[in-house]
Amino acid sequence: EPEVTQTPSHQVTQMGQEVILRCVPISNHLYFYWYRQILGQKVEFLVSFYNNEISEKSEIFDDQFSVERPDGSNFTLKIRSTKLEDSAMYFCASRGQGANEQFFGPGTRLTVL
Amino acid sequence: AQSVTQLDSQVPVFEEAPVELRCNYSSSVSVYLFWYVQYPNQGLQLLLKYLSGSTLVKGINGFEAEFNKSQTSFHLRKPSVHISDTAEYFCAVRPSQGAQKLVFGQGTRLTINP
Repeated sequence: EPEVTQTPSHQVTQMGQEVILRCVPISNHLYFYWYRQILGQKVEFLVSFYNNEISEKSEIFDDQFSVERPDGSNFTLKIRSTKLEDSAMYFCASRGQGANEQFFGPGTRLTVL
Repeated sequence: AQSVTQLDSQVPVFEEAPVELRCNYSSSVSVYLFWYVQYPNQGLQLLLKYLSGSTLVKGINGFEAEFNKSQTSFHLRKPSVHISDTAEYFCAVRPSQGAQKLVFGQGTRLTINP
């Protein structure tokens, strides 16, 4: 069964460093999403991406964040200068054309020290 | 805007007992509703969804949920739980038109005791 994969599973970084979180969506999906969950809090929407551009973003998704689909398979989330409060589990999701269900990856746990 | 409240952060039950996980939502527009499950060290997996039609929806692993528009609720139920149902359960909504982003509740940790 096709699934969304994410790498790495756990990333530890120093405050101020750049990180790139990687996702491989399900191959025929066209809509891509990033969500995050700070420990003990709700899963929050960050951004949605379709046809090589951002279709919607939340207030959290400020200039420090960017997304890219550098090739036909990967979908990345970059945080340019990490802050302590960026520590969270980051989930990637994808959705097929005409579908209502988003398929989620296992997440990347980001720890900013 | 939408919001979701899961009234119980933790629910402990004994194996083979019934369980209900509560979810209430708020929205000024019509919504689609979802329940996701997260097993330890895994991603979010869709249990079931309500889009339209019958208000009682059945999902995987013997779970079902009932959409109640007047009470703005979408409670998840299972008549007899197993140890393997131990997981975190998330209720989520999104508008039926337009924006595709999911709005999640804070999750309910279901613990099954033998």
